[in-house]
Amino acid sequence: DQQVKQNSPSLSVQEGRISILNCDYTNSMFDYFLWYKKYPAEGPTFLISISSIKDKNEDGRFTVFLNKSAKHLSLHIVPSQPGDSAVYFCAAADYKLSFGAGTTVTVRA
Amino acid sequence: DADVTQTPRNRITKTGKRIMLECSQTKGHDRMYWYRQDPGLGLRLIYYSFDVKDINKGEISDGYSVSRQAQAKFSLSLESAIPNQTALYFCATSDRKGGPHNEQFFGPGTRLTVL
Repeated sequence: DQQVKQNSPSLSVQEGRISILNCDYTNSMFDYFLWYKKYPAEGPTFLISISSIKDKNEDGRFTVFLNKSAKHLSLHIVPSQPGDSAVYFCAAADYKLSFGAGTTVTVRA
Repeated sequence: DADVTQTPRNRITKTGKRIMLECSQTKGHDRMYWYRQDPGLGLRLIYYSFDVKDINKGEISDGYSVSRQAQAKFSLSLESAIPNQTALYFCATSDRKGGPHNEQFFGPGTRLTVL
């Protein structure tokens, strides 16, 4: 059973608008959450993270929100840019990382 | 130069063949990992190693083995490849100083096809 789920396999957004990516988890022992970004023919690269004791973390255009009671986190990208077109993986940590299936984001000009 | 390298980048092989995927890193990290990526399933952990003398099974270790030859090298072997091992394989590293949540750095991946 997948403990980390990204239910939207794809997202298309216009340049300049907001991208919202969602992630749900089932294991209440996860205490740290991360987002990775992946371009074709490359490995995933770390984007942003949040500790379970926080509900928001911001880094430039990227903000991650955590709702522990709902076991839900989201990544907001504002404004979206063409270079943001990639696959985004949500990951959750206990003693290891568990990854979601990924969401492919396409930013339209 | 890439900090985490994987060889080969692409490999096509036949059922029953033995295959080794290699990973090298110049980041000086103690921890190394092997993942596979399948469509719709994300990345799943195969094996991980927290130092040269430490090897641990991940969630999908059956059919795989690993060797940590040195701090910088971590190899993944498929003793007898089967078609459902066709996938994209990633090696990753992390620094123990940051604890288990520390950022992992990924290699570029190896695309393996088993016919």
